[in-house]
Amino acid sequence: DAKTTQPNSMESNEEEPVHLPCNHSTISGTDYIHWYRQLPSQGPEYVIHGLTSNVNNRMASLAIAEDRKSSTLILHRATLRDAAVYYCILRGYGGATNKLIFGTGTLLAVQP
Amino acid sequence: EPEVTQTPSHQVTQMGQEVILRCVPISNHLYFYWYRQILGQKVEFLVSFYNNEISEKSEIFDDQFSVERPDGSNFTLKIRSTKLEDSAMYFCASSEGQGVTDTQYFGPGTRLTVL
Repeated sequence: DAKTTQPNSMESNEEEPVHLPCNHSTISGTDYIHWYRQLPSQGPEYVIHGLTSNVNNRMASLAIAEDRKSSTLILHRATLRDAAVYYCILRGYGGATNKLIFGTGTLLAVQP
Repeated sequence: EPEVTQTPSHQVTQMGQEVILRCVPISNHLYFYWYRQILGQKVEFLVSFYNNEISEKSEIFDDQFSVERPDGSNFTLKIRSTKLEDSAMYFCASSEGQGVTDTQYFGPGTRLTVL
């Protein structure tokens, strides 16, 4: 599976936008970019996914670079509840597996 | 909204004892998973299960581990003889399909403490 690189931690202020970057320079043409997050003491939770075009849902937006070697998860107005570890995960058609491979993610702290 | 549930939330056991962790996946889902997370470490895949068979397992999932879907709703992870290093959070997950766009829904986890 292609590797992703994320900053270890980021800080944001409440009600401000947050841009969480992810580098995936070895992404293949059929790899989808998924984001999950893990709130404190909880299981991981799906956030959003995309292939080439930018995507929006009720939780966040995903901006994908034109060359697909990087992407950014955007939380438009961070709340205290958004404090979590955010994982950028690639999922592709190349193998038979459907497991999720988690990295260390980005720990987002949200200040009131 | 449907959710994955897990019981117990916390299990304490003595080394060498057998434990069974229970999960109720989302009702129309067909694919089931177990992951674990040792304190302060990454979430690690253990096993995936479909159609009453293991479809994939990791190196961690050795002969001490087994999974079962004993009825139409439960999905269990059994550790036959627990070791200290099995202490971790264990997460069950389920998905409707196995495609690259299928979301996996995770339960809240069972904290296993082996003494």
